[in-house]
Amino acid sequence: RKEVEQDPGPFNVPEGATVAFNCTYSNSASQSFFWYRQDCRKEPKLLMSVYSSGNEDGRFTAQLNRASQYISLLIRDSKLSDSATYLCVVTDSWGKLQFGAGTQVVVTP
Amino acid sequence: DAGVTQSPTHLIKTRGQHVTLRCSPISGHKSVSWYQQVLGQGPQFIFQYYEKEERGRGNFPDRFSARQFPNYSSELNVNALLLGDSALYLCASSLVGNTEAFFGQGTRLTVV
Repeated sequence: RKEVEQDPGPFNVPEGATVAFNCTYSNSASQSFFWYRQDCRKEPKLLMSVYSSGNEDGRFTAQLNRASQYISLLIRDSKLSDSATYLCVVTDSWGKLQFGAGTQVVVTP
Repeated sequence: DAGVTQSPTHLIKTRGQHVTLRCSPISGHKSVSWYQQVLGQGPQFIFQYYEKEERGRGNFPDRFSARQFPNYSSELNVNALLLGDSALYLCASSLVGNTEAFFGQGTRLTVV
């Protein structure tokens, strides 16, 4: 079983719509949680940290459910520029990043 | 401030050769990690260094080695290259282990 699992998609989203997707993680001792965004053939870029209380950054909302060991990301009012692969990341106490394989989002006009 | 810098950006090597990849972390960051990303997959953890000590090693063969220098820069070495080592090699730096990590642009290695 993979340590971090994501639906690979693609999620095809009309511009202006809302899209949401989850990831699950297997290590209950995981310490920190993040969403990264990766454009084709580029490096991952930090999108946002994820907290149990939930957090919002503009059109992006992230949520962590420690009991069920899943993390979610919601994108409102999708823009064409939101098209990317979204990587779910969990870390151990030393900061070793465990990545999911990524969820591809394609925003269409 | 400069972000994480990696060199070279692209590299072509022949099977059996050796390669050294370099990474300079963000100023003040003491933790450096290396990841391998093959097409269609998420990055896979190779090594983590903190304060010049190895803090973690992923499931990679002994052909892979790394070190961190007193200025916190790091090198990843791969010996006896195989075709399957072709990938994007990413370096990430963070202040301490489990804070947010920032990536360099990566080194794209092609083994022929």
